[in-house]
Amino acid sequence: DAGVIQSPRHEVTEMGQEVTLRCKPISGHNSLFWYRQTMMRGLELLIYFNNNVPIDDSGMPEDRFSAKMPNASFSTLKIQPSEPRDSAVYFCASSFGGRQQYFGPGTRLTVL
Amino acid sequence: AQSVTQLDSQVPVFEEAPVELRCNYSSSVSVYLFWYVQYPNQGLQLLLKYLSGSTLVESINGFEAEFNKSQTSFHLRKPSVHISDTAEYFCAVSGTSGTYKYIFGTGTRLKVLA
Repeated sequence: DAGVIQSPRHEVTEMGQEVTLRCKPISGHNSLFWYRQTMMRGLELLIYFNNNVPIDDSGMPEDRFSAKMPNASFSTLKIQPSEPRDSAVYFCASSFGGRQQYFGPGTRLTVL
Repeated sequence: AQSVTQLDSQVPVFEEAPVELRCNYSSSVSVYLFWYVQYPNQGLQLLLKYLSGSTLVESINGFEAEFNKSQTSFHLRKPSVHISDTAEYFCAVSGTSGTYKYIFGTGTRLKVLA
């Protein structure tokens, strides 16, 4: 089992640029979660999907953030335009039936 | 709504000493409880979970946690820690039905000293 796959693992970009983070959940899982982790705010849930449908996006900080899940095996989190305060580690996690979330290795984003 | 409180942000402990990391939760519905561990520059890994049944749950590397419904707690314990246990530990709670959204605590950084 490959686990949850995230790409890229590291991203450095300049303020104003568009950033796209990618996630491939574990095959067979029907829920997908996007988190952001910073020293100041800890681990925050941004959005989650159930059966490819966004269920709760109340954690998305602003309209600059958007997420999609076009099929059961792929999701993206996009930031446009990016700002320095978006610098963080972004995690994707997936689960089946909600009893345990499996986390990916994360994408470390630095916005200069 | 649910919430999780991890009162200790950092816990230093000497190697081979016991440790307890505290977790209290609040919920109006039945809950699942989890402890995750995060090693430096890595993702979160499940350490142990309480779903139902025995209130004492154990991990393969010697940690245990006990679900105490009356005290709404799920404290994590290990009788003898190793240097390799140095990491950040997160407690999480979810409902037992519906959306299964996790609420995470703020984490406890365990530092094991030689």
